[in-house]
Amino acid sequence: EPEVTQTPSHQVTQMGQEVILRCVPISNHLYFYWYRQILGQKVEFLVSFYNNEISEKSEIFDDQFSVERPDGSNFTLKIRSTKLEDSAMYFCASSEGGDWTEAFFGQGTRLTVV
Amino acid sequence: SQQGEEDPQALSIQEGENATMNCSYKTSINNLQWYRQNSGRGLVHLILIRSNEREKHSGRLRVTLDTSKKSSSLLITASRAADTASYFCATSDAGTYKYIFGTGTRLKVLA
Repeated sequence: EPEVTQTPSHQVTQMGQEVILRCVPISNHLYFYWYRQILGQKVEFLVSFYNNEISEKSEIFDDQFSVERPDGSNFTLKIRSTKLEDSAMYFCASSEGGDWTEAFFGQGTRLTVV
Repeated sequence: SQQGEEDPQALSIQEGENATMNCSYKTSINNLQWYRQNSGRGLVHLILIRSNEREKHSGRLRVTLDTSKKSSSLLITASRAADTASYFCATSDAGTYKYIFGTGTRLKVLA
């Protein structure tokens, strides 16, 4: 069964460093998303992406964050200068259509900023 | 503002019993999805119900949607220890490209 894959599963980084989280969405999906979940808290929407541009973003997704689809298969989230409060589980998701189809999530990348 | 609010926050039942979780939301939605999350793991998609549907089934899962009350329920029948997890509803508003997650219900099924 097709699935969303994320790498790495766990990343530890120094405060102020840049990190890139990688995702391979399901191949025929057109909509891509990043979410995050701080330990013990809700799953929060960061950004959605369609047709090579951002469709929607939340207040959390400030200038420190960027997304890219560098080739036909990968979808990346970059955090330019990490802060301690960026420590969270980051989930990538994809869906075939827009909000009328199921969104499938990857297993997540646990980011720890020290 | 809070969108999905699950109720109860935590639920503990015996294996074989049914578990019912509720989700309330505030806006007009296109669809509502339910997800399961095992501790510290990824989100597993369970079921999607569209705003023009009232009930859907998938195996031991039954989901209802009442748009007049802005609420949905997830029923797991004949629960198993392996059903122990957190369950979240996620709603999608018309014209948006995002899903908003609720606070989740932590289900514990005792063997």
